[in-house]
Amino acid sequence: DIQMTQSPSSLSASVGDRVTITCQASQDISIYLNWYQQKPGKAPKLLIYDVSNLETGVPSRFSGSGSGTDFTLTISSLQPEDIATYYCQQYDNLPPTFGQGTKLEIK
Amino acid sequence: QVQLQQWGAGLLKPSETLSLTCAVYGGSVSGYYWSWIRQPPGKGLEWIGEINHGGSTNYNPSLKSRVTLSVDTSKNQFSLNLTSVTAADTAMYYCARGLPQPYSWFNYWGQGTLVTVSS
Repeated sequence: DIQMTQSPSSLSASVGDRVTITCQASQDISIYLNWYQQKPGKAPKLLIYDVSNLETGVPSRFSGSGSGTDFTLTISSLQPEDIATYYCQQYDNLPPTFGQGTKLEIK
Repeated sequence: QVQLQQWGAGLLKPSETLSLTCAVYGGSVSGYYWSWIRQPPGKGLEWIGEINHGGSTNYNPSLKSRVTLSVDTSKNQFSLNLTSVTAADTAMYYCARGLPQPYSWFNYWGQGTLVTVSS
């Protein structure tokens, strides 16, 4: 299985901050990388697919970049409603695998 | 708007079989791959497997020997069976929709079913 490693595991930031979460794959996954947001007690929600494509309805403050093994999710200006755990997911190889998650909190 | 509604037994004893069903509303099971994904309490996400309307399946090798997925196009729903459960199978189980091609991203999710395995 391809291992997905996210950093940091947790992050505390202030409203308005620029926040960056990284995801590293154990092997080259090209652009087959997606990001999800999960709020407590809720199912994950797709934010970004294929590295940088925003799912319909996702605010433009979210963006993604990278290729190969290194990827980033950026929130340009943190809002209170962005408090959640974020997961990356690869689908280059079966089985699709997720990162361990990054818990984002308000400072 | 596509909605997934799932149900099944929430408390099982070790060695029993976990059975969950997910119904699709506002869309058809045809034309997409439908996945099951689980999340142990306080932990990350694990993909279990997927099925399409024709019954074509892909499974996570780590669970393949215990998992069976099925689809009922007449009822617009699909199901998960996981045999010989242990405490390690305790998790929130989600159904989710993928794309017309196998294993991709998941853009619609069920509400989740918490399954606890305990004697």
